[in-house]
Amino acid sequence: AQKVTQAQTEISVVEKEDVTLDCVYETRDTTYYLFWYKQPPSGELVFLIRRNSFDEQNEISGRYSWNFQKSTSSFNFTITASQVVDSAVYFCALSELGGKSTFGDGTTLTVKP
Amino acid sequence: DTGVSQDPRHKITKRGQNVTFRCDPISEHNRLYWYRQTLGQGPEFLTYFQNEAQLEKSRLLSDRFSAERPKGSFSTLEIQRTEQGDSAMYLCASSLASGAGRYEQYFGPGTRLTVT
Repeated sequence: AQKVTQAQTEISVVEKEDVTLDCVYETRDTTYYLFWYKQPPSGELVFLIRRNSFDEQNEISGRYSWNFQKSTSSFNFTITASQVVDSAVYFCALSELGGKSTFGDGTTLTVKP
Repeated sequence: DTGVSQDPRHKITKRGQNVTFRCDPISEHNRLYWYRQTLGQGPEFLTYFQNEAQLEKSRLLSDRFSAERPKGSFSTLEIQRTEQGDSAMYLCASSLASGAGRYEQYFGPGTRLTVT
């Protein structure tokens, strides 16, 4: 069975600080996909980033970066120079070949001005 | 690209009544998913379709729940004999399953169900 754990329930930072959201996953599959989604107060889940299990290259996209480490089953997400608009609940999710996704319980990020 | 739409956005019903929700996915997407989300939790998988075929249904899903996607486009989720424990946000998502290794799901705004 698949499982996603987001140990941080809530994080609070001051604007312009960097913040890293942790995600640890469990799966028996050798091919799988990892995602981060953002759920702002308005409620609609928004896709942010995707990583395939066979590609461990870490990337940066604007203020977002991610660190995928297969050896520790972790897929951490960093926001650089946080802004108030980044305040939301962030979900890490795991999917096998486009089937169902298993989500963590989310990390609530509050960015204070 | 108009995104995923869901109707209604809110539904209040009395215990024991049947309710039906509709989801219209992104037009070129062949996969459609239903999830349920309660306060403080991540979305919980219910079922998903590829075109009109229902490929997987959660083992936790009661027989009171049924979903269809008759023409491979929109989908409906019906809950029969609603219970107070069914109160939740019901989310629909769609994706384009392909060999390109993408598979990210795009979510609709959800239908909030309250069972009184």
